[in-house]
Amino acid sequence: KAGVTQTPRYLIKTRGQQVTLSCSPISGHRSVSWYQQTPGQGLQFLFEYFSETQRNKGNFPGRFSGRQFSNSRSEMNVSTLELGDSALYLCASSLRTSGGGEQFFGPGTRLTVL
Amino acid sequence: AQRVTQPEKLLSVFKGAPVELKCNYSYSGSPELFWYVQYSRQRLQLLLRHISRESIKGFTADLNKGETSFHLKKPFAQEEDSAMYYCALSGPGNTPLVFGKGTRLSVIA
Repeated sequence: KAGVTQTPRYLIKTRGQQVTLSCSPISGHRSVSWYQQTPGQGLQFLFEYFSETQRNKGNFPGRFSGRQFSNSRSEMNVSTLELGDSALYLCASSLRTSGGGEQFFGPGTRLTVL
Repeated sequence: AQRVTQPEKLLSVFKGAPVELKCNYSYSGSPELFWYVQYSRQRLQLLLRHISRESIKGFTADLNKGETSFHLKKPFAQEEDSAMYYCALSGPGNTPLVFGKGTRLSVIA
């Protein structure tokens, strides 16, 4: 089976812009989670989607949003970018229908905000 | 609230020395615990989970409910073990996976 894929792999944006990141989960996985990874804070949970519904949300401002499509593919959007949004954004999918459990991670999208 | 604490940001050991990466958790029920590893330029991947009680790449981890710990151990460190290690906890129902802040292991030749 193909693993979790994320596009694009690298992005450079300027402050105030918005960005959309995409994630394709492993075939058959309906749960998709997003994480922000930074050297100082490690992995911080953004949100989780299951069957097109946001099931959990982390402690991030409303500028961070996401959605999931009927084929389980997911997108996350960050509006009004700030310098502090520079990070590696990881997507993970899971076979589990409830939350948590083993997550399979994508390679990440490296976002740099100038 | 569920919480995972990895007290060491960086751990340096010599090749052949024993390794112990600490993980403590805060959770009132019966957690499901994992160790994930991220090698340089590779994606984050599952190393092991407490339910399977297996040894992967020589690493083991035992759940100690009394001390609420899930430390990762290896008797003899190898250079290829150098990586970022994350401990994670999964609670009941529809709760997300909670990660610690990670420990960078550096094995010195």
